[in-house]
Amino acid sequence: DAGVIQSPRHEVTEMGQEVTLRCKPISGHDYLFWYRQTMMRGLELLIYFNNNVPIDDSGMPEDRFSAKMPNASFSTLKIQPSEPRDSAVYFCARLRQRGNTYNSPLHFGNGTRLTVT
Amino acid sequence: GENVEQHPSTLSVQEGDSAVIKCTYSDSASNYFPWYKQELGKRPQLIIDIRSNVGEKKDQRIAVTLNKTAKHFSLHITETQPEDSAVYFCAARRTSESPRTDKLIFGTGTRLQVFP
Repeated sequence: DAGVIQSPRHEVTEMGQEVTLRCKPISGHDYLFWYRQTMMRGLELLIYFNNNVPIDDSGMPEDRFSAKMPNASFSTLKIQPSEPRDSAVYFCARLRQRGNTYNSPLHFGNGTRLTVT
Repeated sequence: GENVEQHPSTLSVQEGDSAVIKCTYSDSASNYFPWYKQELGKRPQLIIDIRSNVGEKKDQRIAVTLNKTAKHFSLHITETQPEDSAVYFCAARRTSESPRTDKLIFGTGTRLQVFP
């Protein structure tokens, strides 16, 4: 357990429906990242937060994607409306700053496998 | 922005042989280079990392080398075992205050198969 709980583990939905993915990092982290993994594009950074504030959302593919972090122990990634090309595994990852940030590794949750039919 | 290229995309070796995976990065200011192993259906897990002030690091059968001048780094696995079979990802990160960034950018992955 890397201290990041994601839910649901699997999500199957129809095109056009709203999808909400959840992430609960343990307390004490400073950064939270959302990645998307597909066979074609590998691990893509979508957005990341520092102390609950979004720092860089340039990886969010379209306006259909949005992410929030209302507090230090909860974040959501929402897709609305969903499309078949959104099918992927979505990972949440945490990083705890210790002194200089570049000394800290990233720890991933178990991911949510999303299938949009 | 940072771009990380990784090769080969697939690698097959016989048990006991060595495996080498290579990555190049574009941002000369990158200062942190981790390697992750991802088994089928599981999350990526850190196996080793190296900072820009170090040229080589070793942990048992795994070693990583960094050439900052050439902007490339490599993962070396010696005495490979079937349980080493997985997808391996390299990554690079530049930590900067202005502009503010701590982005970890991943390579496209290498599928390693170790045959008994």
